[in-house]
Amino acid sequence: DQQVKQNSPSLSVQEGRISILNCDYTNSMFDYFLWYKKYPAEGPTFLISISSIKDKNEDGRFTVFLNKSAKHLSLHIVPSQPGDSAVYFCAARNSGNTPLVFGKGTRLSVIA
Amino acid sequence: GAGVSQSPSNKVTEKGKDVELRCDPISGHTALYWYRQSLGQGLEFLIYFQGNSAPDKSGLPSDRFSAERTGGSVSTLTIQRTQQEDSAVYLCASSLEGRPIDGYTFGSGTRLTVV
Repeated sequence: DQQVKQNSPSLSVQEGRISILNCDYTNSMFDYFLWYKKYPAEGPTFLISISSIKDKNEDGRFTVFLNKSAKHLSLHIVPSQPGDSAVYFCAARNSGNTPLVFGKGTRLSVIA
Repeated sequence: GAGVSQSPSNKVTEKGKDVELRCDPISGHTALYWYRQSLGQGLEFLIYFQGNSAPDKSGLPSDRFSAERTGGSVSTLTIQRTQQEDSAVYLCASSLEGRPIDGYTFGSGTRLTVV
């Protein structure tokens, strides 16, 4: 049973527009939510995170929104750039150093 | 080192052979994780080492899989009697304790192909 779900396997966006990547989770014990970005033949790299006590965290062009009641989070990238083309993974964990639980990823293509 | 180092980067092996995958975590990181990514799938947790505590092996798919971490640093993931379904990218990650919001740093992975 998937605890973290990314229902869109792919997304295509024009350069300069907003990219919105969605993620749903089922485990109400998750306290921390993270987004990772992965280029081919490389390991995932940490992008941005949010704790369950917040509903928004912003870092430059990247903003993560958390809706705890809906068990939903989203990553907004604005403006999107061709270099943002990658696979984005949503991940979640309980408190402490418990292992991250990952979704299956969404492949973002930003078209120039 | 500056990052998490994994070797080899690619490994092709015959079905039934044993393989060893190595991970060098970031110096000072006490937590070390192994994940794998099969084709079209997300990252599947395998095993987790935290300091001197007993490892969390709950993600290992079968008893053909084992891992150890020597001296709190380098880790080796061993797959015995490999099967074709073991083909995947095996990723190692490390992190500091006490900062769960920071996530962890991944290596570039070992691509294992069982033929």
